[in-house]
Amino acid sequence: SAVISQKPSRDICQRGTSLTIQCQVDSQVTMMFWYRQQPGQSLTLIATANQGSEATYESGFVIDKFPISRPNLTFSTLTVSNMSPEDSSIYLCSGLGAGAGELFFGEGSRLTVL
Amino acid sequence: AQRVTQPEKLLSVFKGAPVELKCNYSYSGSPELFWYVQYSRQRLQLLLRHISRESIKGFTADLNKGETSFHLKKPFAQEEDSAMYYCALSTGGGNKLTFGTGTQLKVEL
Repeated sequence: SAVISQKPSRDICQRGTSLTIQCQVDSQVTMMFWYRQQPGQSLTLIATANQGSEATYESGFVIDKFPISRPNLTFSTLTVSNMSPEDSSIYLCSGLGAGAGELFFGEGSRLTVL
Repeated sequence: AQRVTQPEKLLSVFKGAPVELKCNYSYSGSPELFWYVQYSRQRLQLLLRHISRESIKGFTADLNKGETSFHLKKPFAQEEDSAMYYCALSTGGGNKLTFGTGTQLKVEL
């Protein structure tokens, strides 16, 4: 199984600033995804991180707000830009394993925007 | 659009009692359903998937297409089963998952 490491694990940020979350997997996963989990809510898919090309965003999420990079198979970053308190959330990196639907998750990055 | 509904936010049962965590889905195509679990201070992980028809940690789940349900069941709850359980639906060939809002299971002694 894949082990996924995220950092930072948590951060407190000021309104209007941006923060980049890093995600490293210890083995090659076929696909990488970024999810958001707002307080009291379920996980919502932000985008699929594509290696060497622009990420594929879900409805309601745009590249200007959540730029994503994936320079190689085992590393990806998510930036939360121009943050507002509504961006306070847990952001989760995940990778798709060999079995269909088997996602491996990082521990999450808990962001609080003041 | 696809949707996953878990009607119970919290389910409390006594140790040894049967457990049923409800999950209903809405999807026009052929669904693939999963249960994920998050134990305290651990990361989210796959518990089981319907295509495997397996029992994991005593839990089973049967896909009922007529009722569009995928309830998670265990005949005798154990204290270590206390966790957050998420039902998930795959619509992208097993790639992208839509999650329910989760049910917190609390097993009391």
